[in-house]
Amino acid sequence: AQSVTQLDSHVSVSEGTPVLLRCNYSSSYSPSLFWYVQHPNKGLQLLLKYTSAATLVKGINGFEAEFKKSETSFHLTKPSAHMSDAAEYFCVVSDRGSGNTGKLIFGQGTTLQVKP
Amino acid sequence: GAGVSQSPRYKVTKRGQDVALRCDPISGHVSLYWYRQALGQGPEFLTYFNYEAQQDKSGLPNDRFSAERPEGSISTLTIQRTEQRDSAMYRCASSSQPQETQYFGPGTRLLVL
Repeated sequence: AQSVTQLDSHVSVSEGTPVLLRCNYSSSYSPSLFWYVQHPNKGLQLLLKYTSAATLVKGINGFEAEFKKSETSFHLTKPSAHMSDAAEYFCVVSDRGSGNTGKLIFGQGTTLQVKP
Repeated sequence: GAGVSQSPRYKVTKRGQDVALRCDPISGHVSLYWYRQALGQGPEFLTYFNYEAQQDKSGLPNDRFSAERPEGSISTLTIQRTEQRDSAMYRCASSSQPQETQYFGPGTRLLVL
């Protein structure tokens, strides 16, 4: 069975400093992995996705994530935080086994706070 | 083009009433998903449609919950005899194919009093 663990429920950084949001996954098959962002009172927006191509995935707004199979990790990073990055971030896995419907399994979420 | 839309955006109902939540997917998307998100949690899968066929309903919590997509486009999630524990954000997503990127609607926030 697939599962996702986001290792931090809250992360606080100062504006201009690096961001690291940690995620570990468990999957029976070769997974597709995603990061979604949810701003207050807004819908879920896809930041980036990994589907077995390059292990370093670049997303929108300067975010990137690296797929590390040996560590079963898919951590999200950004070199320099901006105030507008404050939001809730979800790490997500979708199995790609045969017959799979593509349903998404979400982590519990990490709230990113950016201090001026 | 237009994204996924959901209506109503907010629904307040009394315990025991039935509610119907609507999802209008991106035009041409064959796959449609419903998720439920409790406060402070990540979304949880409820059910999946491929065209009009409901191919996975393993996430529906009990038989008070049902969903349909009769013409392979708009979908309705119905909750009968609502209970306070049904209060949550209900999210719909669609994708062009089953394992392609899912695009989410704004959600319907349901409050059962």
